[in-house]
Amino acid sequence: EAGVAQSPRYKIIEKRQSVAFWCNPISGHATLYWYQQILGQGPKLLIQFQNNGVVDDSQLPKDRFSAERLKGVDSTLKIQPAKLEDSAVYLCASSSSPWAGTGADTQYFGPGTRLTVL
Amino acid sequence: AQSVTQPDIHITVSEGASLELRCNYSYGATPYLFWYVQSPGQGLQLLLKYFSGDTLVQGIKGFEAEFKRSQSSFNLRKPSVHWSDAAEYFCAVGPTYTGTASKLTFGTGTRLQVTL
Repeated sequence: EAGVAQSPRYKIIEKRQSVAFWCNPISGHATLYWYQQILGQGPKLLIQFQNNGVVDDSQLPKDRFSAERLKGVDSTLKIQPAKLEDSAVYLCASSSSPWAGTGADTQYFGPGTRLTVL
Repeated sequence: AQSVTQPDIHITVSEGASLELRCNYSYGATPYLFWYVQSPGQGLQLLLKYFSGDTLVQGIKGFEAEFKRSQSSFNLRKPSVHWSDAAEYFCAVGPTYTGTASKLTFGTGTRLQVTL
């Protein structure tokens, strides 16, 4: 079974530029998550999708970040414009149900995209 | 609000020695608890999880964790560490209420170094 795919693996941009990340979840997984992991910290949830609907985006900086999951499969996360503090690893995860936090399911993580903003 | 504390930022052990990584949580009830491992350049992999029943949980790669309600702890252990265990370990807590949002809260991680 193929895992969660992410691209690109690395991205370097200058502040105020735009950047987009792509995620392909495990086939059949209804729930998709985007996390931000700043160096020295644990992952922080940015947004959670169930199929193509948003169920939690309370920690997404909506003035600059946007995400979509068209057709309930692939997802893209965009930052426009980027700031220095956006330098982080962006992790995508998927699970087969929305109840991952209840222990009834497991979140499977991709390798992440390391973003450096200069 | 739920929170997780991993008091040890960095731990070094010798190969073959035992290991214990500490995790303390804050939650209004008994939460669901997880340990993940992250190798350099990789995503997170689930080692084990606790949601009810036996307080000693067995995971992959020879790891186990014990839930202690009185201490609000969920420490990860391994009797004999291998060099390949060098990685970053994250404890996470998840809500037990049902609902459409199931947000995991992660600790800041413990980096494990294994000396030969």
